[in-house]
Parts: sequence; structure tokens; C-alpha cells
Amino acid sequence: DVVMTQSPLSLPVTLGQPASISCRSSQSLVYSDGNTCLNWFQQRPGQSPRRLIYKVSNRDSGVPDRFSGSGSGTDFTLRISRVEAEDVGVYYCMQGTYWPHTFGQGTKLEIK
Amino acid sequence: EVQLVESGGGLVQPGGSLRLSCAASGFTFSSYAMSWVRQAPGKGLECVSVISGSDDSTNYADSVKGRFTISRDNSRDTLYLQMNSLRAEDTAVYYCARGTRLPGYWGQGTLVTVSS
Repeated sequence: DVVMTQSPLSLPVTLGQPASISCRSSQSLVYSDGNTCLNWFQQRPGQSPRRLIYKVSNRDSGVPDRFSGSGSGTDFTLRISRVEAEDVGVYYCMQGTYWPHTFGQGTKLEIK
Repeated sequence: EVQLVESGGGLVQPGGSLRLSCAASGFTFSSYAMSWVRQAPGKGLECVSVISGSDDSTNYADSVKGRFTISRDNSRDTLYLQMNSLRAEDTAVYYCARGTRLPGYWGQGTLVTVSS
């Protein structure tokens, strides 16, 4: 199975400051069609996961532009340019290139 | 508006069975592959099973292979997960999601508790 490793696992951030989460995969996530099936999800307390980013860097509709994704191959990053109170929750990366599709352990973002 | 509504969860004894349903609306259900993803209490996410839009291709996590069966009824816009021989470690919130490689819409989840 492809192992997805996130860091850090805990991320205390001051309101208005930037935040960054790293996600590394144990093998390249480039799919046979050339796409890279790397997603980022946000899970607020008590809620279902919500997709923020798909195919590395494509922001979902309604997602604030302070969220951005980047990376390639095995190394990916989710960035929040200025953290707001509503960003508190757990963030997961997920690969959909290989079965079984696998998630990172999750990064818990909290306000300092 | 895309909506996914799971049902069928509950308390079941070890070795028992449950069938989860996911009612879809707001999109052409038969055009999309679908996923079941679970989350044990306080834990991360695990993709359990996926099915193609046409129902001719399925995949299962090793942890549920031989015990769970995914299916769909495109005439009813409904996704199912038949769970047999349930174990304590199957206790989780089960989510259905639209899509497999890039699951973009998720339901609210249904809680399955396996306990005596």
C-alpha cells in the first residue's frame, strides 16, 4: 500500500499567520493518464470531511483562495496564507492513484 | 445540489450483519463511481470499498475483503454496503462519497458500533 506521511501532526497557529502542511507519499502519485490524484480534505470538529484541493493544486468551488496546494511526484504541500478561526480542524491528504486509496494520518490545526 | 444521505447504522453484536444505504440526489448517479470511507472513533480515514458507475468493477480494502460487499441500484440512485461477520474493529462512522480517486462530495455518515 502507498503510505502517506503528513507533517506536522499538530499545528498551532496564530490568527492571521500562514500555515503549511507537508504530505509525502511512498511512491510517485502520477496516474497512467498523466494526472496526479492527490487531494486535501478539511474535517472540522463534528463534521464530515470536505475536499479543499484535488489533483494537487485545484481548489474546489467555495474554498477560500487563502488555501493553495502544490507539489509533484511524492512531495506535496497545503498552504493557508492567513489562518482564520474557521480553519480549525484536522487536515488530511489522500492519494487516489493506487488501490487501496490511502490517507495521511491527519494534521490537527489549532489557534495558538 | 448534490446530496448523499447514509442510513442503516446501529449497534450490532460481533459476528452480526448490517446493510448501509446511501441515497444520492442532485446529480446523475449512474455516471459516477462511488466510495465507502470509514473513520473509527478519534481516528483517521480509511477507504473501505469503491464501485464503478456501471457496477462492473469493485475494490475492497484487505481489512474487509470477503466480509463486505458494495453494490448499487442506479434505478434507485442508491449505494449499498452489506457488512457481514462484523468485528469490534469495524466500529466507525461510515461515509459514502461521490467519486473514488478524487472524492468530492461526502455524506454526513452513519455510525456502526460492533459490541456485545
